[in-house]
Amino acid sequence: AGLTQPPSVSKDLRQTATLTCTGTSSDVGYQGAAWLQQHQGHPPKLLSYRNHNRPSGISERFSASRSGNTASLTITGLQPEDEADYYCSAWDSSLSAWVFGGGTKLTVL
Amino acid sequence: QLQLQESGPGLVKPSETLSLTCTVSGDSVTSSDSYWGWIRQPPGKGLEYIGSVYYSGFTYYNPSLESRVTLSIDASKNQFSLGLTSLTAADTAIYYCARGSEGTEYYFDFWGQGSLVTVSS
Repeated sequence: AGLTQPPSVSKDLRQTATLTCTGTSSDVGYQGAAWLQQHQGHPPKLLSYRNHNRPSGISERFSASRSGNTASLTITGLQPEDEADYYCSAWDSSLSAWVFGGGTKLTVL
Repeated sequence: QLQLQESGPGLVKPSETLSLTCTVSGDSVTSSDSYWGWIRQPPGKGLEYIGSVYYSGFTYYNPSLESRVTLSIDASKNQFSLGLTSLTAADTAIYYCARGSEGTEYYFDFWGQGSLVTVSS
């Protein structure tokens, strides 16, 4: 069990990055996914939930979506502070437990 | 302002039991709109769900850890706790407590700063 994320993505400053998270009909395809951002030495921070919803205070540069069993996070106008690890998370209905992706390290060049 | 603060030993011996507590301020552990969870992260690795507990007593666990995990809530202290038995070096990790909230459709919306636990003799 677990969600699949590419280990790393590199994009230029001010460009757009799209991160993906692939699961199954029991998790991402069941009730969608959340995205979390984690800077080195800090706890994760919720960026989006249930596919496309943003908590208050999260920049509109972060947008999330889902197609079937794959969730995506798009970050526009990349800034140096966007360099971080990004994790997806979903409720796995077959396990009755939360599952996480392995994380994607985003590098802003 | 919501705050979650983990506390517990930084070093535990193999085969022993880990006890961690999360103290909540800015919300109540008895709230029907929230539940409380534990997630860990081995150094340099990804996140792993441990389990969740509701004030009602209902719990969910990671199946791979369930046999070793105990979760509880102490409403009088506004705290919730994690117990993990039969520790090995593989349990070395940063342990985070977190809140799941109805406002964010029960995804973990706020995390503590984390507590590093090292399992070593």
